[in-house]
Amino acid sequence: GQNIDQPTEMTATEGAIVQINCTYQTSGFNGLFWYQQHAGEAPTFLSYNVLDGLEEKGRFSSFLSRSKGYSYLLLKELQMKDSASYLCAVKGRDQAGTALIFGKGTTLSVSS
Amino acid sequence: DGGITQSPKYLFRKEGQNVTLSCEQNLNHDAMYWYRQDPGQGLRLIYYSQIVNDFQKGDIAEGYSVSREKKESFPLTVTSAQKNPTAFYLCASCRLAGGKGSITGELFFGEGSRLTVL
Repeated sequence: GQNIDQPTEMTATEGAIVQINCTYQTSGFNGLFWYQQHAGEAPTFLSYNVLDGLEEKGRFSSFLSRSKGYSYLLLKELQMKDSASYLCAVKGRDQAGTALIFGKGTTLSVSS
Repeated sequence: DGGITQSPKYLFRKEGQNVTLSCEQNLNHDAMYWYRQDPGQGLRLIYYSQIVNDFQKGDIAEGYSVSREKKESFPLTVTSAQKNPTAFYLCASCRLAGGKGSITGELFFGEGSRLTVL
């Protein structure tokens, strides 16, 4: 079986830094994705990690530790538009090895 | 512009009726997916397909059916057997790396279809 855990909700203020954690237990591992989803909209891709370490992309960074089954998404210089749900997804190794398994998402609220 | 299109955006259905949600992509992606999203539940996989005329059940396939007659199209039928069909349905596609059995890159999502059973 596969299990992905992330906090349900987080709050932060404009300009701050927030870290959203994700832990996973999967029968196999072929990469971890982070998506952003605004209410009522489709998820959009943020980052992809397959090797240990930090991937930086502008204000967003994502970290992976495969030995710990752990990832985090770091958002810097928070803006009001960053208020959204952040989804952690793992590319496991099911029969076909293709489908992404998603966590339940973390709803981030940014206030002024 | 390439993309993935779902229709309708909003759909209302009476109990006992089957409904079909459309998903079309012009990204030339091999793999297509249907996810269901409920509040507090995240995205759950219903069905997926890697090639034409082939598809596999996901975690919650009961009460749903799909077809993949064309590479560009992957419609989902919500049947009357689905006990709790009210949800937000998301279709996605992805490029395959080296044939069946692996994917590369991210999923591209449609805008979603919100189904409400009255």
